[in-house]
Amino acid sequence: EPEVTQTPSHQVTQMGQEVILRCVPISNHLYFYWYRQILGQKVEFLVSFYNNEISEKSEIFDDQFSVERPDGSNFTLKIRSTKLEDSAMYFCASSVYRGLNEQFFGPGTRLTVL
Amino acid sequence: GENVEQHPSTLSVQEGDSAVIKCTYSDSASNYFPWYKQELGKRPQLIIDIRSNVGEKKDQRIAVTLNKTAKHFSLHITETQPEDSAVYFCAAGDGGSQGNLIFGKGTKLSVKP
Repeated sequence: EPEVTQTPSHQVTQMGQEVILRCVPISNHLYFYWYRQILGQKVEFLVSFYNNEISEKSEIFDDQFSVERPDGSNFTLKIRSTKLEDSAMYFCASSVYRGLNEQFFGPGTRLTVL
Repeated sequence: GENVEQHPSTLSVQEGDSAVIKCTYSDSASNYFPWYKQELGKRPQLIIDIRSNVGEKKDQRIAVTLNKTAKHFSLHITETQPEDSAVYFCAAGDGGSQGNLIFGKGTKLSVKP
């Protein structure tokens, strides 16, 4: 069964550094999402992406964040200047259609900002 | 925007008992309500979902009920087993948007053998 994959599984970085988190959505899916989960807390929506542009973003997704689909398979989340509070598990998800359809989650990237 | 409240935050049951987790949502436009199970250190996985045109859906030991008037929905697990132990998240999605999900805070279910 196809799965969403993410790399790296764990990223450690210094405060102020840029990080890029990578995701490969399921191949026939058209809608892509990033969520984050601070340790022990709920999953929070960051951004949705369709047709090579952002569809919707939350208040968390400020100017420090950007997303890109650089080629036909990868979907990336960039954090320009990391802060301590960016430490979290970042999940990528994808779905075939928008709305009333299952979103398949990747295994996550644990980001630790020191 | 949408807000999803989930209760209880922790739930401990004996193996074989039933477990019920409840969620409320605020946005009447929401029309998709999935439930995800997350085992420690793993990805959230969909276990059941319901759309607003139905009031109840069942899949073996798991059932979900939806009351659109009251804006609440519930997960019912019957004949619980130790492997049901995990964190369960409810979520609400607006089909009119790009489908982003708003999650509840999660319920840590412990099933004691």
